[in-house]
Amino acid sequence: EVQLVESGGGLIKPGGSLRVSCAASGFSFSNAWMTWVRQAPGKGLEWVGRIGPKADGGTTDYAAPVKGRFTISRDDAIHTLYLQMNSLQTEDTAVYYCTTNPITIFDGMALWGQGTTVTVSS
Amino acid sequence: QSVLTQPPSASGTPGQRVTISCSGSSSNIGTNNVYWYQQLPGTAPKLLLYRNYLRPSGVPDRFSGSKSGTSASLAISGLRSEDEADYYCATWDDSLSGVLFGGGTKLTVV
Repeated sequence: EVQLVESGGGLIKPGGSLRVSCAASGFSFSNAWMTWVRQAPGKGLEWVGRIGPKADGGTTDYAAPVKGRFTISRDDAIHTLYLQMNSLQTEDTAVYYCTTNPITIFDGMALWGQGTTVTVSS
Repeated sequence: QSVLTQPPSASGTPGQRVTISCSGSSSNIGTNNVYWYQQLPGTAPKLLLYRNYLRPSGVPDRFSGSKSGTSASLAISGLRSEDEADYYCATWDDSLSGVLFGGGTKLTVV
């Protein structure tokens, strides 16, 4: 089955760190551009960043609010995407979705996980 | 405040046609494709349209898209109760080197 399953969310204090994961199955993970999108409670969608396939240099891009604090990585051997979040702030509280297009990045984010909730609070 | 501007709300009655606008600039909509996402309450977003007007398999032809200059729009014809959802436009921004989402439009079917 073609799917993405996020895990690792939880409650973390401001200034803390957390790593969330996204397990992929049913498509060629190593060839896919992978993206993280978040949604704060009651708010809209916000792009967090993306990582390209190693064949494309494994390029990463980040949104301004998270650049320097968040790191996206991938382990193609176990088909897993990661989002390492450091120096967390209350405004990072959100549902974090991983998303991709198994065919081509240019055809939009066609496959989404169910999301994992990160709450930053003292 | 999002760089892509959408009306916060829209409404229509069953069977009607509604349109949702998405306004950007030359660095985003003006030079890149627009994508539309539908998010039903409590669920993950779903790709509705890609490359401005193309529909993924399974999306009804009641949903259509267009782009002109630095604006895009989503049209929903034959409105149905199950279309009640949040709708987001998205595109790449060359200046920011990142993806932008519109602020979202909550569609109510009254």
